[in-house]
Amino acid sequence: GQQVMQIPQYQHVQEGEDFTTYCNSSTTLSNIQWYKQRPGGHPVFLIQLVKSGEVKKQKRLTFQFGEAKKNSSLHITATQTTDVGTYFCALRRGAGGGADGLTFGKGTHLIIQP
Amino acid sequence: EAQVTQNPRYLITVTGKKLTVTCSQNMNHEYMSWYRQDPGLGLRQIYYSMNVEVTDKGDVPEGYKVSRKEKRNFPLILESPSPNQTSLYFCASRPGGQGLYTQYFGPGTRLTVL
Repeated sequence: GQQVMQIPQYQHVQEGEDFTTYCNSSTTLSNIQWYKQRPGGHPVFLIQLVKSGEVKKQKRLTFQFGEAKKNSSLHITATQTTDVGTYFCALRRGAGGGADGLTFGKGTHLIIQP
Repeated sequence: EAQVTQNPRYLITVTGKKLTVTCSQNMNHEYMSWYRQDPGLGLRQIYYSMNVEVTDKGDVPEGYKVSRKEKRNFPLILESPSPNQTSLYFCASRPGGQGLYTQYFGPGTRLTVL
């Protein structure tokens, strides 16, 4: 099945700095989702991207899907302590039918220093 | 409140002692999945179910069984647990149909096999 590489694995930032995590694939993706997992918590859906070149914003979070649909990014402007956690990209399994569920990237741990 | 519940939340057991982790959702979702989360490996799908009595293997099914006798419940069964099954387990569900593919995760079950 399709795989996705997520970088970086860890990111330390000072509060107020920006943060970006990237997901890359060698094959064209039909869609990509982003999830956030707070320390000790469970993954929570943030957004789904489907269209080539798509850009979506949620307050300080900006999500992009590449023109070739082989990469995606999540950018957080002016990080706050509430942004701490692990951010995962995920691909829908079996988009053409068959399997169900998600294939996850390994995640980026965001650590914020006050 | 719409939610996915898992029990138990924490479990310490010994090698070979059969156990069941329960998962229940109150959203009338057709699709359910089990994932395990391990440091450095992210989340990996164990099994999924597309409806009652319809289940199939994910990426890491060895050593696990599932059943889906009712739409709301999707228990994960470890017939003979081994230490390499020590992990954090998440159940997830989603509604059927096309469009948004949001997965709703349970709070997680931390399992330790000695």
